[in-house]
Amino acid sequence: RKEVEQDPGPFNVPEGATVAFNCTYSNSASQSFFWYRQDCRKEPKLLMSVYSSGNEDGRFTAQLNRASQYISLLIRDSKLSDSATYLCVVNPPGGGYNKLIFGAGTRLAVHP
Amino acid sequence: IAGITQAPTSQILAAGRRMTLRCTQDMRHNAMYWYRQDLGLGLRLIHYSNTAGTTGKGEVPDGYSVSRANTDDFPLTLASAVPSQTSVYFCASSDRSYGTGRTSTDTQYFGPGTRLTVL
Repeated sequence: RKEVEQDPGPFNVPEGATVAFNCTYSNSASQSFFWYRQDCRKEPKLLMSVYSSGNEDGRFTAQLNRASQYISLLIRDSKLSDSATYLCVVNPPGGGYNKLIFGAGTRLAVHP
Repeated sequence: IAGITQAPTSQILAAGRRMTLRCTQDMRHNAMYWYRQDLGLGLRLIHYSNTAGTTGKGEVPDGYSVSRANTDDFPLTLASAVPSQTSVYFCASSDRSYGTGRTSTDTQYFGPGTRLTVL
């Protein structure tokens, strides 16, 4: 089983739609969780951290379910500019460094 | 310089040749990382450095070496390139060496990447 698993998509949605991605992780002791965004042929950039209480940043909402070991990202009122690959990232303990495990990503395509 | 820079942007290399990918950051971050990204796989850590003068092995270190002579630079060397090292390589840095939960200083910031093809 992969440490972090995501549906690769693509999710093809019209502008204005609401879309949600889920991600599961295997290490129950993981402490921090993030969503990164990666545009085609570009570097990953932090979109938002995921807190136990859930958090919202504008049109984006992230939630964590520790019992079921998954995190989610909800995008409301999708824009064309939201088209990208969304990477689920988990920070498990150990390793002796700021260890991040990346999912392979979920591709989102927003069309007019 | 603003953030992290990598050089070259892309490179085509003959198998067996030696190659060094350069990475420089100007944020005075103490920790730096090298990842490779392959289609269908998440970013995988090659090597890391928690502070100048120290390095460590990540998930896929074989065939690669690194050095950290100072805070700003973290070069990655392929001693004898093989076709399986064809990939996109990303350098990253973070203020903290260890993840501590919600602090933004745990965030890893990535360079623009180097696209390497080994023939």
